[in-house]
Amino acid sequence: EAGVTQSPTHLIKTRGQQVTLRCSPISGHTSVYWYQQALGLGLQFLLWYDEGEERNRGNFPPRFSGRQFPNYSSELNVNALELEDSALYLCASSLEGAGGYTFGSGTRLTVV
Amino acid sequence: GENVEQHPSTLSVQEGDSAVIKCTYSDSASNYFPWYKQELGKGPQLIIDIRSNVGEKKDQRIAVTLNKTAKHFSLHITETQPEDSAVYFCAASRWGNYQLIWGAGTKLIIKP
Repeated sequence: EAGVTQSPTHLIKTRGQQVTLRCSPISGHTSVYWYQQALGLGLQFLLWYDEGEERNRGNFPPRFSGRQFPNYSSELNVNALELEDSALYLCASSLEGAGGYTFGSGTRLTVV
Repeated sequence: GENVEQHPSTLSVQEGDSAVIKCTYSDSASNYFPWYKQELGKGPQLIIDIRSNVGEKKDQRIAVTLNKTAKHFSLHITETQPEDSAVYFCAASRWGNYQLIWGAGTKLIIKP
């Protein structure tokens, strides 16, 4: 069974640009979660999508947004990139009622 | 709001010794407590979890204990090995389609 896949694995962007990160959950998982992890630090919750709807949002500015598609894959969009947006962006998926999350390997975003 | 506190932030132990990481949660309705291990450059991976109907769960060298009265739970790793070096995260939630609340993480260093 394929795990959670994220693309791209790495990318470098210039301050002010926009970026789209993609996530494919495990087959059958309906919930997708996005996290930001700055170097050496903890998991900062960004967004939670379930059945195509945004269920919850973390304490991030509106330039962080996303969506979930009918096949449960998801995109995270970040507009007007700032230097402090440089981080590992992790996507996780879960099956309703099954508790634990399965994480992807993340997308390493560097803003210069 | 709901909160999970995790201690210590860094733990250094001699190879072969035991390591204990502790977490305290605030939401008394929480009944699901997973632990994740994150190796360098990878996403967190679920290593063990416990539900509130049991007080302890073991899987080879790792175990998790839960004290519902005190609202804390702990990860125990015995006979530590170099490959145990990683960042460990605890989390808590209500079982079902609820969002995990994360601890800040513990960097475990195994000294040869």
